[in-house]
Amino acid sequence: EPEVTQTPSHQVTQMGQEVILRCVPISNHLYFYWYRQILGQKVEFLVSFYNNEISEKSEIFDDQFSVERPDGSNFTLKIRSTKLEDSAMYFCASRPPGLQGVGNTEAFFGQGTRLTVV
Amino acid sequence: AQSVTQLDSHVSVSEGTPVLLRCNYSSSYSPSLFWYVQHPNKGLQLLLKYTSAATLVKGINGFEAEFKKSETSFHLTKPSAHMSDAAEYFCVVSDLDDKIIFGKGTRLHILP
Repeated sequence: EPEVTQTPSHQVTQMGQEVILRCVPISNHLYFYWYRQILGQKVEFLVSFYNNEISEKSEIFDDQFSVERPDGSNFTLKIRSTKLEDSAMYFCASRPPGLQGVGNTEAFFGQGTRLTVV
Repeated sequence: AQSVTQLDSHVSVSEGTPVLLRCNYSSSYSPSLFWYVQHPNKGLQLLLKYTSAATLVKGINGFEAEFKKSETSFHLTKPSAHMSDAAEYFCVVSDLDDKIIFGKGTRLHILP
């Protein structure tokens, strides 16, 4: 069964360092997402990506964050200068198109990358 | 604008008794609704989805949910709880656009 894969599963980084979180979406999907979940809190939307550009982003997704689909398969989230409060589980998701847009298709989530900023 | 409200942050039930996790939504169009489960230190797994077909939706592990448009609800139920059901459950809404909105989650505790 196809699945979304994320690497690494755990990442520890020092405050101020750059990190890149990697995701391989399911191959025929067209919509891609990053979410984060701070320990014990809700799952928060960061950004959605379609047709090689950001379709929507949340207030959390400030200039420190960027996304890229460098080679048509990987989908990366970069945090330029990490802060302590960036420590969280980061989930990537992808969705196929539906008959009436994407809204009625399920999102497939990766297992997440746990980022710890020290 | 879409939104999802999960009415209970924690629910405790005894093993073998019914489970009810409540979810209300707000949507401008005909939404698609999903329930995801997250076991400790694991990713998000789809339990079931409603996408404008039958209003009573059956999912994995004996869970089901009923879409009630008049009540704007999509409550998750299971007739008999099992210890392995202990997890965090998220109600999720999606509209015609690509936005996916999560509820705050309900942590289900199963008492022996």
